[in-house]
Amino acid sequence: GNSVTQMEGPVTLSEEAFLTINCTYTATGYPSLFWYVQYPGEGLQLLLKATKADDKGSNKGFEATYRKETTSFHLEKGSVQVSDSAVYFCALSDLEGGSEKLVFGKGTKLTVNP
Amino acid sequence: DGGITQSPKYLFRKEGQNVTLSCEQNLNHDAMYWYRQDPGQGLRLIYYSQIVNDFQKGDIAEGYSVSREKKESFPLTVTSAQKNPTAFYLCATESLQGADTEAFFGQGTRLTVV
Repeated sequence: GNSVTQMEGPVTLSEEAFLTINCTYTATGYPSLFWYVQYPGEGLQLLLKATKADDKGSNKGFEATYRKETTSFHLEKGSVQVSDSAVYFCALSDLEGGSEKLVFGKGTKLTVNP
Repeated sequence: DGGITQSPKYLFRKEGQNVTLSCEQNLNHDAMYWYRQDPGQGLRLIYYSQIVNDFQKGDIAEGYSVSREKKESFPLTVTSAQKNPTAFYLCATESLQGADTEAFFGQGTRLTVV
């Protein structure tokens, strides 16, 4: 079945540091890939997405490129802020058993210190 | 406002009791999902529904039940058969129209067994 593996946290950075959170996937079809962000006590919000190979998703300074050859979708940001502190989830959406299903990684908690 | 409403935000249940979590949406989305979130485990799919009066089990359906009597509503019942129900529950919706879709999440319900 489909699966997502993402870098385990927690990750602690200083403000303005460079961020990478690794994500790799296994899928039988041609999935869409997503990064979601969860702030404390809240639901998940879509951060960015890519629907086909070589697409780059970007939002709020975050970027991720859909790499089919390495089955990866790593999240990057050049200069993090304290307000970026949250849990980040990598996910894929693919047809499985005739139904569209979202599969999530376990999440990576990011803390950015001033 | 368009969106997904989960209620209540916090719920306490005595052991042996059934309890129902509400999820309502006015996005006119076809698909609705229930996820359970535990620390360090990411999101795990409980049940999902892609059409009214039809739903499928996810990865951890035991001890839970759902109904989809109307498009806007997808309540989740946590039964006394669920051995460890304390968790954060997230409802999500997705439009299945078109190739470029994404999931939207509610704010979650935190269930605690006392």
